[in-house]
Amino acid sequence: GAVVSQHPSRVICKSGTSVKIECRSLDFQATTMFWYRQFPKKSLMLMATSNEGSKATYEQGVEKDKFLINHASLTLSTLTVTSAHPEDSSFYICSARDLPQGGYEQYFGPGTRLTVT
Amino acid sequence: DAKTTQPPSMDCAEGRAANLPCNHSTISGNEYVYWYRQIHSQGPQYIIHGLKNNETNEMASLIITEDRKSSTLILPHATLRDTAVYYCIVRVTGGGNKLTFGTGTQLKVEL
Repeated sequence: GAVVSQHPSRVICKSGTSVKIECRSLDFQATTMFWYRQFPKKSLMLMATSNEGSKATYEQGVEKDKFLINHASLTLSTLTVTSAHPEDSSFYICSARDLPQGGYEQYFGPGTRLTVT
Repeated sequence: DAKTTQPPSMDCAEGRAANLPCNHSTISGNEYVYWYRQIHSQGPQYIIHGLKNNETNEMASLIITEDRKSSTLILPHATLRDTAVYYCIVRVTGGGNKLTFGTGTQLKVEL
């Protein structure tokens, strides 16, 4: 099946620094990738939709200047948390949508645990 | 996308069938029923989806009522590794459609 990877799997950073999380589709091309955030014991909340070669579409309430998304190729999207604060500590998960021949299913990465101290 | 309602938690004995219900009474004619699961601290995993016919794959079976207002995911022989949160989502397939996750059902498989 389609595989999506994320790097790093865990990251600890100091308050005020920026952190970049990578999402890669390993065996398929993804025109669209999605970024989710999940707080402990809560469900996944969509942050933004990332389209290759164009600007990301952010969900209401998500600061686009704080969560920078770049989808430079059909296999890579990055999420940069800028000037991170402890309240940004969360589990960040990406998903990638296969091209039409793959059936439009979404495949999820393993997630990145961000802890801001 | 139509809203879904699932019980917050269920228990199942290992080796028995786990039947997870989902209500989606406002589903539209062009909306599919999708099931994903999330094992603790991992990304969600696609299980199965269907429109109106029952579906079966190597992981599970999906039973959709004739009026499509509810469905049941069946894990025929649950194992401890099936312990996870199961999400039922209804949405139109195709295009760049987002997945909207509800609270899901926490399935606990026990010995």
